[in-house]
Amino acid sequence: GAGVSQSPRYKVAKRGQDVALRCDPISGHVSLFWYQQALGQGPEFLTYFQNEAQLDKSGLPSDRFFAERPEGSVSTLKIQRTQQEDSAVYLCASSLKGETGRGTSEAFFGQGTRLTVV
Amino acid sequence: GNSVTQMEGPVTLSEEAFLTINCTYTATGYPSLFWYVQYPGEGLQLLLKATKADDKGSNKGFEATYRKETTSFHLEKGSVQVSDSAVYFCALRGSNSGYALNFGKGTSLLVTP
Repeated sequence: GAGVSQSPRYKVAKRGQDVALRCDPISGHVSLFWYQQALGQGPEFLTYFQNEAQLDKSGLPSDRFFAERPEGSVSTLKIQRTQQEDSAVYLCASSLKGETGRGTSEAFFGQGTRLTVV
Repeated sequence: GNSVTQMEGPVTLSEEAFLTINCTYTATGYPSLFWYVQYPGEGLQLLLKATKADDKGSNKGFEATYRKETTSFHLEKGSVQVSDSAVYFCALRGSNSGYALNFGKGTSLLVTP
């Protein structure tokens, strides 16, 4: 497809379970972002990749969160030992160019994965 | 740190009414400013952007002007349509923190016939 694809769309996990969320960015896009969106809130930045390099992971809330993009295309966000506070929509976005301090290239968002931890 | 504050919704308007959604920001330096829209069941889409003071972004009849003196980027449309019903997010990217977009909480707009 032409857009950013995320899977699964919905995930229910039991507390303590590990989960893996997948993002297929638009082909050829250099930059890839992960955001977390809690109910009724705006998206919060988690991490940024430029090709396979993770240049910023300052938004990851704990060491239970891990992201990778080993070949510079598909990315996986892994959450270990899920907790109820991890319940949110996880958004992936990609943009064509590498971001700089004045980056203004358009980011294209996927529809997100809604994670519910019970 | 950088932050965005936008008016709380939901906002309900009749078709053809004038729309304003207020957005103010806090940031050092010269951030770039954005409005994103999320239609029901869809992902976030860029609506418009402005990268320096006094720039006006526009798209699909929506406009927003980057006002550095009031640190604002209010979204306006002269005549809304039912199809404009969506959630609107104001966002910024700081000039010295290049990667992250900082989003507001979003404003839900419902336009009735």
